Amino acid sequence: DADVTQTPRNRITKTGKRIMLECSQTKGHDRMYWYRQDPGLGLRLIYYSFDVKDINKGEISDGYSVSRQAQAKFSLSLESAIPNQTALYFCATSDPLSQGPQHFGDGTRLSIL
Amino acid sequence: RKEVEQDPGPFNVPEGATVAFNCTYSNSASQSFFWYRQDCRKEPKLLMSVYSSGNEDGRFTAQLNRASQYISLLIRDSKLSDSATYLCVVINQAGTALIFGKGTTLSVSS
Repeated sequence: DADVTQTPRNRITKTGKRIMLECSQTKGHDRMYWYRQDPGLGLRLIYYSFDVKDINKGEISDGYSVSRQAQAKFSLSLESAIPNQTALYFCATSDPLSQGPQHFGDGTRLSIL
Repeated sequence: RKEVEQDPGPFNVPEGATVAFNCTYSNSASQSFFWYRQDCRKEPKLLMSVYSSGNEDGRFTAQLNRASQYISLLIRDSKLSDSATYLCVVINQAGTALIFGKGTTLSVSS
């Protein structure tokens, strides 16, 4: 089983819909992250969490929200999806004692029509 | 100056070639450095950490130059399977700033 699991793997939806992407991990790491990746722009940090209930904005948090209710789970929500949120989304975890590195899930391919 | 800059390439090399990538970073307070590999539309995977003294893992060698604020990755005896995008990652001491470069694309041909 994968250490960092993202669901769904693929999602196509319409503008204005609410969408939730889930991430769960079995690595026991305290730190979790959500990124999006767009062609030519690389990986950009959306939100990160260093512990349960700890939430921090990343580089591009507008239009997104997150929830960290348990150490192993970190969910990303798009309250009202728009087409420019079409991207590949990655969840990652890291162990603070090792100062990184990060371990990534397989990604969620999201398309907003 | 962008926080982490990489030459996007692509680098097209024959099998057996030696190829080097550089990455520059702007924040002198950065503490941790990594190279990741990403295959097309897959998740990034850690290739190696970069230590101040330089480090080697098989055909791969990473170097850090703090004075000039750049990181390098050297790949010797390139294999077809090395074809991928290589991402430079810089992290500050608190782990609150994680900056990925946009990646350098390598294509190894037979």
